[in-house]
Amino acid sequence: DVKVTQSSRYLVKRTGEKVFLECVQDMDHENMFWYRQDPGLGLRLIYFSYDVKMKEKGDIPEGYSVSREKKERFSLILESASTNQTSMYLCASSLPGPDTQYFGPGTRLTVL
Amino acid sequence: AQKVTQAQTEISVVEKEDVTLDCVYETRDTTYYLFWYKQPPSGELVFLIRRNSFDEQNEISGRYSWNFQKSTSSFNFTITASQVVDSAVYFCALSETTQGGSEKLVFGKGTKLTVNP
Repeated sequence: DVKVTQSSRYLVKRTGEKVFLECVQDMDHENMFWYRQDPGLGLRLIYFSYDVKMKEKGDIPEGYSVSREKKERFSLILESASTNQTSMYLCASSLPGPDTQYFGPGTRLTVL
Repeated sequence: AQKVTQAQTEISVVEKEDVTLDCVYETRDTTYYLFWYKQPPSGELVFLIRRNSFDEQNEISGRYSWNFQKSTSSFNFTITASQVVDSAVYFCALSETTQGGSEKLVFGKGTKLTVNP
């Protein structure tokens, strides 16, 4: 079974803090993705990575950066958290190509 | 750009009713893939089906069935004899090739299904 884990289910941070969200997959997948999910807006892609140290911007990259130093780990970084980044963050991984993405349980981030 | 429309924001049915969730897509690609995911109240998205654009055969898996019609750019999902455990948000998604040659998914906004006992 594919397993994608995320470092926290719930996180509360203060405005201006630097926030790291970690995602780890155990299926040797090349592709990894970060989404945010907001009511009425569905899932929106922030960044994705198709190989170690490679990344590509998604639809809403502003205010975020990512890091992929190892194949199994993909980190989302909020350099200076703001209240409008309060959201559910979902990580996913897949094989190359338009393959099925497998999702982690999500991190609900609240920025006060 | 690719687009996925799930026009039904919320649907409420009584247990044992059949229910169809609509998905309409727009794409410039000649080859593409369509997906359905389920997100139960626990929050984790669960993969249900992946279909490529060359395969228009309907698919059935237990109480679930999918109707893919290229002519109308639709990929609808039907649950037969719905159960309370089917209550979830359902997402339809479409593959997209980026300018850099990578593949990503474009998701619809989701349909929240509530099945009442």
